Amino acid sequence: GAGVSQSPSNKVTEKGKDVELRCDPISGHTALYWYRQSLGQGLEFLIYFQGNSAPDKSGLPSDRFSAERTGGSVSTLTIQRTQQEDSAVYLCASSSSGAISKNIQYFGAGTRLSVL
Amino acid sequence: AQSVTQLDSQVPVFEEAPVELRCNYSSSVSVYLFWYVQYPNQGLQLLLKYLSGSTLVKGINGFEAEFNKSQTSFHLRKPSVHISDTAEYFCAVSKYNTDKLIFGTGTRLQVFP
Repeated sequence: GAGVSQSPSNKVTEKGKDVELRCDPISGHTALYWYRQSLGQGLEFLIYFQGNSAPDKSGLPSDRFSAERTGGSVSTLTIQRTQQEDSAVYLCASSSSGAISKNIQYFGAGTRLSVL
Repeated sequence: AQSVTQLDSQVPVFEEAPVELRCNYSSSVSVYLFWYVQYPNQGLQLLLKYLSGSTLVKGINGFEAEFNKSQTSFHLRKPSVHISDTAEYFCAVSKYNTDKLIFGTGTRLQVFP
């Protein structure tokens, strides 16, 4: 059984460019989360998808950040006009509503984004 | 809103010694509590969780934590640490089932031989 898969594992981009980060959650997991881990800010929540409900976008730091989840599975986090302060590790997690594993968020290995 | 405080940014300890990593939280509603571990260059792995019931929770790798509602704490303990326990440990809370996690700033546990 595959875990949460994120791609690319590393991304180097130039300031002002757009980037897309991909997350493949564990099959059947209804909830998907994006977090950001940076030296200055620690681990921050970004956005949360639960089934067909409207996503919780309360953690997105600016309107340059957006995310979508297609077909209730794969998610893409897009950062437009990247800035150097966007450099961080972007983590994706998924969880199930099943009785055995509910409340447990399984994390991917992350995408390390470096903005030059 | 919820918040989590991990008072110690670094905890150095010798191998086979006991360790306690402290975590305090603030919330106006009931929360679920978690400890995650992050080994170097790896993702986050769940150590243990408290949802309800017994306040003493046992997790993987010999770790345990005790929920203390009156002190709003969820300290992580291990009676005898190993070199392999060297990692970053994060305490986290969530408001209800499958909600977002609010993390503390992390505690780096460094185990020396």
